[in-house]
Amino acid sequence: AQTVTQSQPEMSVQEAETVTLSCTYDTSESDYYLFWYKQPPSRQMILVIRQEAYKQQNATENRFSVNFQKAAKSFSLKISDSQLGDAAMYFCAYSRNAGGTSYGKLTFGQGTILTVHP
Amino acid sequence: DTEVTQTPKHLVMGMTNKKSLKCEQHMGHRAMYWYKQKAKKPPELMFVYSYEKLSINESVPSRFSPECPNSSLLNLHLHALQPEDSALYLCASSQVDRGSGYTFGSGTRLTVV
Repeated sequence: AQTVTQSQPEMSVQEAETVTLSCTYDTSESDYYLFWYKQPPSRQMILVIRQEAYKQQNATENRFSVNFQKAAKSFSLKISDSQLGDAAMYFCAYSRNAGGTSYGKLTFGQGTILTVHP
Repeated sequence: DTEVTQTPKHLVMGMTNKKSLKCEQHMGHRAMYWYKQKAKKPPELMFVYSYEKLSINESVPSRFSPECPNSSLLNLHLHALQPEDSALYLCASSQVDRGSGYTFGSGTRLTVV
């Protein structure tokens, strides 16, 4: 079974600074997807960034980037120039690429609460 | 339209009531999901529908009954719930290629009294 581990229950960062959230996962699959989701107090789970396991290049979305280390099964999220609106709970998630009509589950880590200080 | 819409946003129900949660998407996604989320915990998968057929039931009690009337709609019928069922219920949808990510609704906050 796949597992996702976020070892930092809480993190804090000063506005405009950079913060890195950690995520490790365990799988025997070679083809899968990894995601970071943000859940602010408004409750909606928002996709921040995604990574395809067969792509070696790290994904980047504006101020958000990942460090994907497939051999180490590590998938960290770096937030640059942190903003007050980045404050939220962040979930790392894994999805097996089963292909076809076999829609599988999205496995989440336990989450990291990010606080941004002005 | 790139949204998943859930109604109602808040629901309070007694243990003998029957109520339904509704989820709607118009993105052409052919997989839809129900998740249950407790405070400060990750979402837990309840049900998966693919092509309007139930493909995964994560051993959810029968007091929760899902329904997928068409490719855009997903319902969750509730009956005889317990106080421990109080939680945020999230609906999500995805394309055939799940690598594009799952789109979540903003959830229904359910309180069972």
